[in-house]
Amino acid sequence: AQSVSQHNHHVILSEAASLELGCNYSYGGTVNLFWYVQYPGQHLQLLLKYFSGDPLVKGIKGFEAEFIKSKFSFNLRKPSVQWSDTAEYFCAVNADNAGNMLTFGGGTRLMVKP
Amino acid sequence: DGGITQSPKYLFRKEGQNVTLSCEQNLNHDAMYWYRQDPGQGLRLIYYSQIVNDFQKGDIAEGYSVSREKKESFPLTVTSAQKNPTAFYLCASRTDRGAGPQHFGDGTRLSIL
Repeated sequence: AQSVSQHNHHVILSEAASLELGCNYSYGGTVNLFWYVQYPGQHLQLLLKYFSGDPLVKGIKGFEAEFIKSKFSFNLRKPSVQWSDTAEYFCAVNADNAGNMLTFGGGTRLMVKP
Repeated sequence: DGGITQSPKYLFRKEGQNVTLSCEQNLNHDAMYWYRQDPGQGLRLIYYSQIVNDFQKGDIAEGYSVSREKKESFPLTVTSAQKNPTAFYLCASRTDRGAGPQHFGDGTRLSIL
């Protein structure tokens, strides 16, 4: 079974700092990759997704992620964070042998100081 | 607007009691899921259903039961056999036609009295 690791559990940044959240998965086959965000008091929302094609994926609110197959990674980035980016971020993987099931990472809680 | 509705938002359970969490979707999605969210552990899959009258156990199904009598509804029962039920429960759905993201409800927070 595949697993997903998010190594940073808590990240604290000042506004305008750059962000990179790590995500690594364990499955060697074809994968679909997702980043979800959960703002305080809100439901999980899709931030961006990768299915195929250009490994650099752009999502909402200035976020992007890069799929590096050789490293089994799908790190999330944003050049300049804002206070409103304070949220919990989840990486998720759908492996081609898992039907439409998602495996989630443990989440990274981001706090942006104004 | 289409979406997923979970109710109640907060629920309390007494020892030895079964409680049922509701999940309804009007997205016409085929597949529905129940996750449990605990701090630092991300989301763990409890049960999922790909079609009506069919469901499968996820990674942590013990102490839980589900039914899928209607396409739009996937209630989760937390039984007295679940010894550590305090958590945030999330319901999700997804169309089964090709790859696509899951859509999530707002969640139900369950606590033990």
